[in-house]
Amino acid sequence: AQSVTQLDSQVPVFEEAPVELRCNYSSSVSVYLFWYVQYPNQGLQLLLKYLSGSTLVKGINGFEAEFNKSQTSFHLRKPSVHISDTAEYFCAVSVSGGSNYKLTFGKGTLLTVNP
Amino acid sequence: NAGVMQNPRHLVRRRGQEARLRCSPMKGHSHVYWYRQLPEEGLKFMVYLQKENIIDESGMPKERFSAEFPKEGPSILRIQQVVRGDSAAYFCASSPLLEGSHGYTFGSGTRLTVV
Repeated sequence: AQSVTQLDSQVPVFEEAPVELRCNYSSSVSVYLFWYVQYPNQGLQLLLKYLSGSTLVKGINGFEAEFNKSQTSFHLRKPSVHISDTAEYFCAVSVSGGSNYKLTFGKGTLLTVNP
Repeated sequence: NAGVMQNPRHLVRRRGQEARLRCSPMKGHSHVYWYRQLPEEGLKFMVYLQKENIIDESGMPKERFSAEFPKEGPSILRIQQVVRGDSAAYFCASSPLLEGSHGYTFGSGTRLTVV
């Protein structure tokens, strides 16, 4: 079985500062990795995903993430955040194989961007 | 092209009543997935359905919960005799054939409150 750990439940930052949201996973097989964003009372929107190839993945809204297989990590970064980035961010994994339809989520990191 | 439509957005039920949550997938998507988000938790997989078939219900509670995706109409998640612990946000996602987790589109969710 897979598991996802998001190390920080809350991350407060000031506007225009850089941010990193940490995600580690555990799996005995190869995985696909995802970051989703959830704005208040809304559904989940895909920010980016890693399936294969380059370990640096660029997503929407200026976010990027780097897959590190040796450290089993997939940290999300943005060089300069905006107030509008305030939201909950979820890291998720699925296996690369027969059950690749099922996502396992972390508990989320609440990013709060202050002026 | 409308996205994944869930209704109602908010649902209040008294203990012991039935809750019916509906999900219409994106046009062209034949696979539907239901997830539950408990307070301060990540989303957890409940069930995966194709038209008229339940493919994987490993995340469904053994009692009171059922799901269907009929030939015509939306997918329905049904909770009988609701209890306070069923209060959560229920999200539906859909994907095209063979894309699995790569092709998810999430709906905005139904927030169930049991009083």
